[in-house]
Amino acid sequence: GAGVSQTPSNKVTEKGKYVELRCDPISGHTALYWYRQSLGQGPEFLIYFQGTGAADDSGLPNDRFFAVRPEGSVSTLKIQRTERGDSAVYLCASSFGARDNEQFFGPGTRLTVL
Amino acid sequence: GDSVTQMEGPVTLSEEAFLTINCTYTATGYPSLFWYVQYPGEGLQLLLKATKADDKGSNKGFEATYRKETTSFHLEKGSVQVSDSAVYFCALNRGGADGLTFGKGTHLIIQP
Repeated sequence: GAGVSQTPSNKVTEKGKYVELRCDPISGHTALYWYRQSLGQGPEFLIYFQGTGAADDSGLPNDRFFAVRPEGSVSTLKIQRTERGDSAVYLCASSFGARDNEQFFGPGTRLTVL
Repeated sequence: GDSVTQMEGPVTLSEEAFLTINCTYTATGYPSLFWYVQYPGEGLQLLLKATKADDKGSNKGFEATYRKETTSFHLEKGSVQVSDSAVYFCALNRGGADGLTFGKGTHLIIQP
């Protein structure tokens, strides 16, 4: 079956612009996660959805970052007024439940802010 | 806060050598522990996990034992293959939290 997909695979934007990153989780997975991975680092947790609601957004770095999952499936990570420091690979993962359930990761979106 | 520390890479070994990648953690409560692997050109995938003290996770010849007394979860394999070349991430999931906390990753290179 299809895994987690993310679009676009690469995004280049200019400082100050707005970007949206999309995640399609595995069908039937109720939990969805966003992570950010900077060069040479491990993924850093951003936000977790259980169904349509953000159950834990403690990892979002500031109010320029926002994510939605309106129908409990596809999620969009939105970044306003992008900064060069936002450049990273943004990873999405989904799982059937939460906590100890295996998280299945997508290939990521590489964001470059010039 | 929670943190995971794993040995710096790259780690370069010859085929059939014994592998150990060290991982230690700091967390409140009783975390679950994971090893994820990222093969070249592919996404992160779960390699093994352990959910309580003294549990041993195993998969594809890899093993790791949850040691609460030393707060460690070292990854081992008795005989590595060229196909094991990848980046390995140790991670934890703290009870009460849902996102994973990852280490920085260890790049493993196996030479024929």
